[in-house]
Amino acid sequence: QQQVKQSPQSLIVQKGGISIINCAYENTAFDYFPWYQQFPGKGPALLIAIRPDVSEKKEGRFTISFNKSAKQFSLHIMDSQPGDSATYFCAASITGAGSYQLTFGKGTKLSVIP
Amino acid sequence: DSGVTQTPKHLITATGQRVTLRCSPRSGDLSVYWYQQSLDQGLQFLIQYYNGEERAKGNILERFSAQQFPDLHSELNLSSLELGDSALYFCASSVDLGTGEQYFGPGTRLTVT
Repeated sequence: QQQVKQSPQSLIVQKGGISIINCAYENTAFDYFPWYQQFPGKGPALLIAIRPDVSEKKEGRFTISFNKSAKQFSLHIMDSQPGDSATYFCAASITGAGSYQLTFGKGTKLSVIP
Repeated sequence: DSGVTQTPKHLITATGQRVTLRCSPRSGDLSVYWYQQSLDQGLQFLIQYYNGEERAKGNILERFSAQQFPDLHSELNLSSLELGDSALYFCASSVDLGTGEQYFGPGTRLTVT
């Protein structure tokens, strides 16, 4: 059972455009939703995260939008740059359960073309 | 650089063998998480240790085990290796307060031939 579904699998965006990656979750007990960025040969790096008590969080060019009733959240990358080309993973965890283990989506490979 | 270190970077071994992967968490982090990344399964949580004790188990095979030592470094032991165990193995560390933000190491790429 895949608890976090991520789409699209791959995305091609022109430089300067907006990249949008979507995730949907099933377990309503999830209360922490981070996004990770992974470059080839590297480990995932924490990019930005949100809790369900807010509907949006922005850090620089990266914005998370959160819709609790729809059990969906998305990552928006504004003014996408070739350096943003990487694989992005959404994740979810339950922070009050004693373990903060992450459940990941399958990932989105983003290519930003000049 | 996340501050989490993993060794070795690459490991090539034969089926049936046993290997040990090592992880040193960020300074001050008490929790170590192990994840497996494969093309078909994606990133999957294996096991978590907190201050030397096992705290949570995920999709970890019985052939796999882990431990965390008094200096907080952790080892993941994989035995009776099969071709399907070929994957990237990541450890992540966390202070485990608040949201438990996890910081990942560079990973160990295991190839079983």
